[in-house]
Amino acid sequence: KAGVTQTPRYLIKTRGQQVTLSCSPISGHRSVSWYQQTPGQGLQFLFEYFSETQRNKGNFPGRFSGRQFSNSRSEMNVSTLELGDSALYLCASSLQRGTTDTQYFGPGTRLTVL
Amino acid sequence: KNEVEQSPQNLTAQEGEFITINCSYSVGISALHWLQQHPGGGIVSLFMLSSGKKKHGRLIATINIQEKHSSLHITASHPRDSAVYICAGGHVNNNDMRFGAGTRLTVKP
Repeated sequence: KAGVTQTPRYLIKTRGQQVTLSCSPISGHRSVSWYQQTPGQGLQFLFEYFSETQRNKGNFPGRFSGRQFSNSRSEMNVSTLELGDSALYLCASSLQRGTTDTQYFGPGTRLTVL
Repeated sequence: KNEVEQSPQNLTAQEGEFITINCSYSVGISALHWLQQHPGGGIVSLFMLSSGKKKHGRLIATINIQEKHSSLHITASHPRDSAVYICAGGHVNNNDMRFGAGTRLTVKP
């Protein structure tokens, strides 16, 4: 089976712009979780989608949003980008809910905000 | 205080040494995950456990639910084990993931 894929792998944006990141889970996986990783804060949970519904959201502002499609592919969007949004954004997929199932991580999208 | 604490932050070992990384958590969790992150960012899930002990090759993970503590052991360490090891807990109520800060392991030949 193909692994989790994320596009694009690298992205450079300027403050105030918006960005959309894409994640394709392993075939058959219904859960997609998104994480932000920064040198200062480490890994932080953004949100989880399961069967096209957002099941949980971490402590991030409303500028961070996402969705999941019927084929389980997921997108996350960040609007009005700030310098502090520069980070590695990782998605992970699992068969069942992410917290109690083995998660398979994608390679990540490295976002730089100038 | 972070809800998930790891120690040590950095660890340097000689090839062949036995390694232990510790993880303590202060919140109720449904499962404890150990992750490995190599330079470049890729993350691999090593273990998910909610009780007892699991073993995969040279890696062993244990968890003590009563003491809210988990350990990751690496036997006969090898330079290819050099990576950042991260523990994470699935919060029992919120069902989100809480992460430790990671342990950077360097194994020298």
